[in-house]
Amino acid sequence: QSVLTQPPSVSGAPGQRVTISCTGGNSNIGAGYDVHWYQQLPGTAPKLLIYGNSNRPSGVPDRFSGSKSGTSASLAITGLQAEDEADYYCQSYDSSLSGSGVFGGGTKLTVL
Amino acid sequence: QVQLQESGPGLVRPSETLSLTCTVSGGSISSYYWNWIRQPPGKGLEWIGYIYYSGSTNYNPSLKSRVAISLDASKNQFSLKLSSVTAADTAVYYCARTTRGDRGPQHFDYWGQGTLVTVSS
Repeated sequence: QSVLTQPPSVSGAPGQRVTISCTGGNSNIGAGYDVHWYQQLPGTAPKLLIYGNSNRPSGVPDRFSGSKSGTSASLAITGLQAEDEADYYCQSYDSSLSGSGVFGGGTKLTVL
Repeated sequence: QVQLQESGPGLVRPSETLSLTCTVSGGSISSYYWNWIRQPPGKGLEWIGYIYYSGSTNYNPSLKSRVAISLDASKNQFSLKLSSVTAADTAVYYCARTTRGDRGPQHFDYWGQGTLVTVSS
């Protein structure tokens, strides 16, 4: 049972837009901790995709965007491409766990 | 370009201690948090803990009684020890760097490639 809740899977056709939600609580996202997103391609280490709720590291296409509101956050991917098929994880920190890092359970994105 | 590389035994016997080292190249240990994260086969990511360059540590409460993370700045390395392992500790173990923000550690910006550790007799 992850502290942050994500849908197990989402799917979309090439060119479409998909969103992945990340729901937390008052001791993590709702407490003002930033949310970060990672993309994990099969057999590889996770890669930072969005940091500080909505910021993209250099080299990440602007098709990827993040937002945060209240106790939840979302990752949006527009113009879906086959290479976007991967697992996506949200991450934050939790004050009720002594400031521990916490991850969502992960969402498998399938490009149809 | 900062690079992290995990090293250590790929097989550990049940009840023994898992020991891994992460070597940092292309940058200094100073001013960052250094983390261990694991991923059981086919499952999600679990944060294990971090050590700040000053030596302060923070561990996942669910693992705290069995975990120790240390740092050797002279070698640009930090290490993980996880005691009394069981099959449930079988996972890919990643080391990762975190920058410091207003409220402490932020995002994991650099990751090692990961190393699979299997707990089995």
